Amino acid sequence: ETGVTQSPTHLIKTRGQQVTLRCSSQSGHNTVSWYQQALGQGPQFIFQYYREEENGRGNFPPRFSGLQFPNYSSELNVNALELDDSALYLCASSSGPNSGQGSGTQYFGPGTRLLVL
Amino acid sequence: QKEVEQDPGPLSVPEGAIVSLNCTYSNSAFQYFMWYRQYSRKGPELLMYTYSSGNKEDGRFTAQVDKSSKYISLFIRDSQPSDSATYLCAMSRSKAAGNKLTFGGGTRVLVKP
Repeated sequence: ETGVTQSPTHLIKTRGQQVTLRCSSQSGHNTVSWYQQALGQGPQFIFQYYREEENGRGNFPPRFSGLQFPNYSSELNVNALELDDSALYLCASSSGPNSGQGSGTQYFGPGTRLLVL
Repeated sequence: QKEVEQDPGPLSVPEGAIVSLNCTYSNSAFQYFMWYRQYSRKGPELLMYTYSSGNKEDGRFTAQVDKSSKYISLFIRDSQPSDSATYLCAMSRSKAAGNKLTFGGGTRVLVKP
C-alpha cells in the first residue's frame, strides 16, 4: 500500500509569485484535504476535495485554490504569494463515508515546505 | 480564544517515565478525537483515533476522552528517546468525507536517555 506523497519537498518563491503544490493520495482513498502549518503551530485546514469537487473550506482567501483529478491526486495553487504564506503545506488523504470503521481518518504526507522571500 | 487548546511545552521526561498530554476544547460539536505524532520536518503520523468518552489502549499508548469536561488526554507508558516529537491533538465533528480536522498547537516532548 502506497502512502501519501507530496512534491516538491521544498520551494522558495518571492512575494507576488504563484505556486503549485502536488499530492498523491494513499491507495484506496478518494478524499484529499490540505492544511497549512506555520512554524510552531498546529495545522490549519485550507480545503478538502471529494470526488473532484471542493467539499469544505477553511478561513483562507480565494487566492488559495485547488483541484482534484480523476485518479484522486490533487493540487494546491496559491496566487500572489505573501510573506505570511511561508509554511509547511500538508496534504492528507482519507476514504469516503460508509467505507468502514475509521473512514474519514486522515493520513498525512510529508509536506512541502514553502519559503516566500 | 482558540477552539482547541494545548500546552506547547516543552515537556521533558526521563526515559521510562509516563508522558501525560492533554487538550481542552470549547466546541461540544466535536465527536471524533485523534492524536498525531510529528517528528521535526515531517508530516503528522496518526497514533490514536477515538469516538466515545472513555479509554482506548494501543500498546504503550492510552487515549482518554471526557466529553462532559471537553478534555482529552494521551498517556505514553515506558517512554523512549524515540518518542521525542511534537504531539498534536485533533478533533472533528464527523467522520464523513466532509470532516475537517481542528488541531491544537502541539506539545513538544523530549525523552532524555
